[in-house]
Amino acid sequence: DTGVSQNPRHKITKRGQNVTFRCDPISEHNRLYWYRQTLGQGPEFLTYFQNEAQLEKSRLLSDRFSAERPKGSFSTLEIQRTEQGDSAMYLCASSISGGFSYNEQFFGPGTRLTVL
Amino acid sequence: QQQVKQSPQSLIVQKGGISIINCAYENTAFDYFPWYQQFPGKGPALLIAIRPDVSEKKEGRFTISFNKSAKQFSLHIMDSQPGDSATYFCARLQGRNRDDKIIFGKGTRLHILP
Repeated sequence: DTGVSQNPRHKITKRGQNVTFRCDPISEHNRLYWYRQTLGQGPEFLTYFQNEAQLEKSRLLSDRFSAERPKGSFSTLEIQRTEQGDSAMYLCASSISGGFSYNEQFFGPGTRLTVL
Repeated sequence: QQQVKQSPQSLIVQKGGISIINCAYENTAFDYFPWYQQFPGKGPALLIAIRPDVSEKKEGRFTISFNKSAKQFSLHIMDSQPGDSATYFCARLQGRNRDDKIIFGKGTRLHILP
C-alpha cells in the first residue's frame, strides 16, 4: 500500500497524559499537512511542512501541541497534557509542491483520539 | 471563521435521482474549489475540483457548477447510487503563497435510498 499511513488508528487516554501520533506520507511527497476533525465538522488545518521545515501553524495549535518532521519523511504530532476538548480525529495529508495546477493532497485514515 | 458555507447539512435522495449540494464563499482570492468525499472511518478523498475561471466541470456522474457573480458553487451527482452515500465537503484552497492549505465546509451527509 503506497498511500498515507497513520498510527495508531485509535488512542484512548486520560486527561493530562501526553500522546504522540505518527504519519508516514506518500514517498517523494515533500509537503505534509496535519488537520483536526471533530464530530460533524469538516477538517480544520493545524500545520504543514515542506520537507523538514514547518512553514505555518494555525492558531488552533496551542502550545501544548508540537509537530516535527525531522528528516523530511515521516511526521509526529504530540499533544501534551491532553484535555477533553482535544478529542477528535487527527488527519495527515501529503502532496507534491510546485507546478501551476492544483496539488492534490492525499489523506490518511486518521487517528481518532478520545480523552477521558 | 467559516469561509465556505455549505448546505444542506444532510440529504436523502432516491436511487437514480440527482443529489445537489451547495456552497457559498466570501471572495475569489484563491485558486481552487475542490469537493471531497469521506466514508466513515476514512480520510477525505478528492472527488473533483474547479478553478473560478471555469463555469462548469464534469467528471462522470459528478458535475461542479460555479457561479462567480453569486459567489456560489454546487456539486451535482447524477443517477445517485447507494455507494455514493457518504459525507461531502466543499472546500477552497487558501494561501497566496500557494501553500495549498484547505479550508473545508462543515459537510453534507448524503444518504441514497436503495
